[in-house]
Amino acid sequence: KAGVTQTPRYLIKTRGQQVTLSCSPISGHRSVSWYQQTPGQGLQFLFEYFSETQRNKGNFPGRFSGRQFSNSRSEMNVSTLELGDSALYLCASSLVGGGGTEAFFGQGTRLTVV
Amino acid sequence: AQRVTQPEKLLSVFKGAPVELKCNYSYSGSPELFWYVQYSRQRLQLLLRHISRESIKGFTADLNKGETSFHLKKPFAQEEDSAMYYCALSGISSGSARQLTFGSGTQLTVLP
Repeated sequence: KAGVTQTPRYLIKTRGQQVTLSCSPISGHRSVSWYQQTPGQGLQFLFEYFSETQRNKGNFPGRFSGRQFSNSRSEMNVSTLELGDSALYLCASSLVGGGGTEAFFGQGTRLTVV
Repeated sequence: AQRVTQPEKLLSVFKGAPVELKCNYSYSGSPELFWYVQYSRQRLQLLLRHISRESIKGFTADLNKGETSFHLKKPFAQEEDSAMYYCALSGISSGSARQLTFGSGTQLTVLP
């Protein structure tokens, strides 16, 4: 079966701009979680969506938002970009989310803010 | 709040030597713990979960509730074990749903 697909793979944005990242989960998976991966902090949880509803949110500012569509595809938006937002953004899909079933990760979107 | 701590950012061992990657957690309830692995240029993937009590690729991990630890062990390391390893905990967060929280990771290098 097709894996988790994230687009685009790479992005370069300027401070102050906004960006939208996309994640297509494995067919049949209703949970999509987003993580920010940086060398110093590892994987930090951003939020999780299940059946179009945000079910959990991490400790990130309101500039980070997301949504999930009826086909379970999810988007993540970051507004007013800052240099510190440069990171690899990973999404993970699973049947039930929260670690209840195995999480399958995408290859990530590498965001660079200049 | 739930927290996962991996005290070693980098760990190097020689091929054939035993390896132990440390993981400690903080969680008031009954946790579910996992190890995920990311090989070079590959996606992050599940290695093992404590409830299965399996040995995957020679790795085992035992949940020690008294010490709140879930260390990953392998008696004889192989070069192909070189990767980034993440310990993760599934627990009820501030909301009512379970949340998967990761540690900061340990980069394991197995030297020839």
